[in-house]
Formats: sequence, structure tokens, C-alpha cells
Amino acid sequence: QKEVEQDPGPLSVPEGAIVSLNCTYSNSAFQYFMWYRQYSRKGPELLMYTYSSGNKEDGRFTAQVDKSSKYISLFIRDSQPSDSATYLCAMSANTGNQFYFGTGTSLTVIP
Amino acid sequence: EAGVVQSPRYKIIEKKQPVAFWCNPISGHNTLYWYLQNLGQGPELLIRYENEEAVDDSQLPKDRFSAERLKGVDSTLKIQPAELGDSAVYLCASSSQTGGGETQYFGPGTRLLVL
Repeated sequence: QKEVEQDPGPLSVPEGAIVSLNCTYSNSAFQYFMWYRQYSRKGPELLMYTYSSGNKEDGRFTAQVDKSSKYISLFIRDSQPSDSATYLCAMSANTGNQFYFGTGTSLTVIP
Repeated sequence: EAGVVQSPRYKIIEKKQPVAFWCNPISGHNTLYWYLQNLGQGPELLIRYENEEAVDDSQLPKDRFSAERLKGVDSTLKIQPAELGDSAVYLCASSSQTGGGETQYFGPGTRLLVL
């Protein structure tokens, strides 16, 4: 079993839709959770960073962590064509520990 | 502030040839990572440096891969000899610790094609 599971998609939504992206994990020691956005032929770009459980909001983006279910989500409100990219979740147990990445979900927002 | 710089951006070589990738991290970031990313996959750690010390190289294929970070700033990753299966994107990242956690910043990657 992989440490982190992520549905690769692809996911296609109309402009303005709410997008939900999810990852599950198996290691209960994970407590740092990240979402990265990766455009084609670019490096991953950090979107959201969350410690432990709870919600974090930044503009149109909301990250949720449910440690009891070992489940994290990224919500994108009012999706835009510029949001079309691959979204990677990542997590680690502690500072200095290895980051574990999901496989990424490919998202296309259709104008 | 400049981001993580990597060169070259693209490299095409024949199998059995050597190849080297260079990375300059964000200024002040002591931790540097090399990752491998295959198409449709997430990044996989190859090696992590704290300053000039390799603190995690357990996933680096040491028979053909080597890395160095001599002065604790920029780093070089080398493959010798390259194999067809090494075709992938090689990402460099550097990190800082904020709020008790760690945030990694990635460079654009070097896309390697081995023929």
C-alpha cells in the first residue's frame, strides 16, 4: 500500500464550478499537509500548508484535514481556466522528515 | 527573491553517456532536495542535504547516481552511465522552516531523455 493515495483523474469542470480534490493516507504520524499546483513543464508550486487537523482558507482555496479519517481535501471555489493544472498533495510526519507525495490529479477548467 | 534555479532545462543523451544537473537553492535555505518525477507520478525523493551533509540518500541508486553539495549552497546530481529508464524530470527543491513546519520550494526541473 502506498503511503499516499490520490485519484489521478483527469477531472474536467466548467468555469465557475467548485472543485474538490482529495488524498488519503495510511501513516497516522503525518501531521504536516501540503497542496502543490504543477503546470505543464513546470515545477510544483506550493498552494496551501496545513498543520494537523482543521481548515485553512486562502482566497478561493480551502484546505481541510481530517486526521481521524486520514483524509485531506482541497476545495477550489469559482474555478478559473488558469486553475487548469495538476494538483499534488504532500505530507510529512515531522520537520526534517521525508515528504510523501500523491500521484497528482489533473484538472481542466473549461471556459 | 529569486526562486530555485536549475540547469539545464532539457537534456537529450544516448544511453551509457554521463549527465549532470545543477541546482542553486533559494538564498538562506540550508536544506536541499533532489527528486525524480516520472510522467503522471508525484516527485520521489532521491537525496536530501542539510548544508553540505547528505542526511537521507537511502533512495539514491548509488551504482550510477551521485550528488554533491560541496559548499552547502548549490548542488550537482550526476548519472553515469545513463539508462533508458532514467528518462524523467529531475526536480530540485529547497526548504525553510516556518511555524514549526517545513515548506519546500521547487525549481522548474530538468527534463532528461535518454535514447
